[in-house]
Amino acid sequence: NAGVTQTPKFQVLKTGQSMTLQCAQDMNHNSMYWYRQDPGMGLRLIYYSASEGTTDKGEVPNGYNVSRLNKREFSLRLESAAPSQTSVYFCASSSGEGRKLFFGSGTQLSVL
Amino acid sequence: TQLLEQSPQFLSIQEGENLTVYCNSSSVFSSLQWYRQEPGEGPVLLVTVVTGGEVKKLKRLTFQFGDARKDSSLHITAAQPGDTGLYLCAGGRNTNAGKSTFGDGTTLTVKP
Repeated sequence: NAGVTQTPKFQVLKTGQSMTLQCAQDMNHNSMYWYRQDPGMGLRLIYYSASEGTTDKGEVPNGYNVSRLNKREFSLRLESAAPSQTSVYFCASSSGEGRKLFFGSGTQLSVL
Repeated sequence: TQLLEQSPQFLSIQEGENLTVYCNSSSVFSSLQWYRQEPGEGPVLLVTVVTGGEVKKLKRLTFQFGDARKDSSLHITAAQPGDTGLYLCAGGRNTNAGKSTFGDGTTLTVKP
């Protein structure tokens, strides 16, 4: 049971570099989400996609872009990484009508 | 912004002790969820409560939703080392679980 798969697990970037975090789910869920988790600040929603072909901003979207490639995949892109984007990033999915979120195991990103 | 405050932020106890973690807000939520997160992993849903005054039990864990649906508590009886982890509460205002507001978390350490 793969559930929600995120890649990479770890990444180190220099300021100004770009990268894409990948997320895929195999549960046929409609909704997918990207969060960041910082010490003492819980989980904050960056972007979400309620269904294939739609994306919306969350609480902290600045500096990020997303693509809902198909129903399975939802990627998060940092065009020009900044040290403030050092964080642990989580992808999650849900059926859309239920209240249960399924999370991936996270990507630890450091921007130097 | 709807804030969810969790207390205590850190808790270290001996195996066999009881403990209570609190999640408080000035806002009303339609549902309240509790997650547990282990190092290097994403949060895993423990329970969802939706009715004011609702009490749910999961083995040694007891969850309560306040009558006014602004607060919640998690009580663990006879804690075990396997209970060690980060406990997160998340309040929702609709059925979209992914748009919930997360608390900052309580880090629990249970020593053998």
